[in-house]
Amino acid sequence: AQSVTQPDIHITVSEGASLELRCNYSYGATPYLFWYVQSPGQGLQLLLKYFSGDTLVQGIKGFEAEFKRSQSSFNLRKPSVHWSDAAEYFCAVALYNNNDMRFGAGTRLTVKP
Amino acid sequence: NAGVTQTPKFQVLKTGQSMTLQCAQDMNHEYMSWYRQDPGMGLRLIHYSVGAGITDQGEVPNGYNVSRSTTEDFPLRLLSAAPSQTSVYFCASIDVGGEQYFGPGTRLTVT
Repeated sequence: AQSVTQPDIHITVSEGASLELRCNYSYGATPYLFWYVQSPGQGLQLLLKYFSGDTLVQGIKGFEAEFKRSQSSFNLRKPSVHWSDAAEYFCAVALYNNNDMRFGAGTRLTVKP
Repeated sequence: NAGVTQTPKFQVLKTGQSMTLQCAQDMNHEYMSWYRQDPGMGLRLIHYSVGAGITDQGEVPNGYNVSRSTTEDFPLRLLSAAPSQTSVYFCASIDVGGEQYFGPGTRLTVT
């Protein structure tokens, strides 16, 4: 069955530290891959996406993600976290039909001063 | 350009009542979707549409109906509300590059 797994429910990092949020998927083919961020009480904002090509993708707000086909992973990274990055982060995947998008359960990021 | 709008922002229903959640977009996107968000479960796709007159079921369609008579509007109908439908509902439209634009959400409570 198709699934998206974000193994970490909650992560706490200190401001200025590096960040990596994990995402694994189980699909029959390589899907389109996305990372979204949601601030409390808000809708979702797209950080970055991977469709094909270079497996290291740059996004907004200094985020990047790397697609690793062999590991079925699409981990999100940021070299230096800012307090404003505290939010919930969702990995999402979709096949060629972008309507049928499946989301992971989310990772809540807390940033310590 | 308002993007994706949803009404109402909040709604409380009694079990068995029906209602329609409204969604509209002004970006002329063909693709639109409805999701529900529950704690610890991320977003789950309810229904989607690839254009006016065409809809299809997503992951959790039971208890919900949709129609798409225009490109702009994609309402979600709850036929007979149940407490299990207490959730936050997001509408989204998708551009040709695959990026989804989400509305601000509707928080629904069914008592």
